[in-house]
Amino acid sequence: DQQVKQNSPSLSVQEGRISILNCDYTNSMFDYFLWYKKYPAEGPTFLISISSIKDKNEDGRFTVFLNKSAKHLSLHIVPSQPGDSAVYFCAAIGSGYALNFGKGTSLLVTP
Amino acid sequence: SQTIHQWPATLVQPVGSPLSLECTVEGTSNPNLYWYRQAAGRGLQLLFYSVGIGQISSEVPQNLSASRPQDRQFILSSKKLLLSDSGFYLCAWRAGTGWTEAFFGQGTRLTVV
Repeated sequence: DQQVKQNSPSLSVQEGRISILNCDYTNSMFDYFLWYKKYPAEGPTFLISISSIKDKNEDGRFTVFLNKSAKHLSLHIVPSQPGDSAVYFCAAIGSGYALNFGKGTSLLVTP
Repeated sequence: SQTIHQWPATLVQPVGSPLSLECTVEGTSNPNLYWYRQAAGRGLQLLFYSVGIGQISSEVPQNLSASRPQDRQFILSSKKLLLSDSGFYLCAWRAGTGWTEAFFGQGTRLTVV
């Protein structure tokens, strides 16, 4: 059963605009959430994370928002750049050690 | 600094042959270790994770097994590969406690023919 869901398989955004990637989770025990960026044939690279005691975390052009009541988080990229084109994965971990990933959203930033 | 090594980068194996993929971590001790698989066009599926030597948790029952013979070594194995075992296999490590991120190796592209 998929506990972390990314319902948009793909997203296309113009350069300079905002990219918003969404993620939903079902397990209320999750307390740490992460976003990764992945290129084909490479391992994912860590982007940004947020713990359940916060509702926002910012790092440069990347901001993650957490809505615990809705079990929803989102990643905002502003401004979007062509180099941001990649697959973005949302991940979550709870009291155990299993790090659960969504199926990913493929972001294309067009010039 | 910590590094993670995963090999081989690519592998082509016939159906029914055995498999051994190795992952080692340097610069940390007692890491949590993970094996993931990304099938074509799919997400990252957690296969196994380990919180210590000899401790393996299996997330998905299948034709694979994992072992952790040393603190920073994690091995993914199969006695007889199936066509459905093809995919991109990723090893990752994470600090044992607290809210920490996982770091991934470069992956192994396995094609079973």
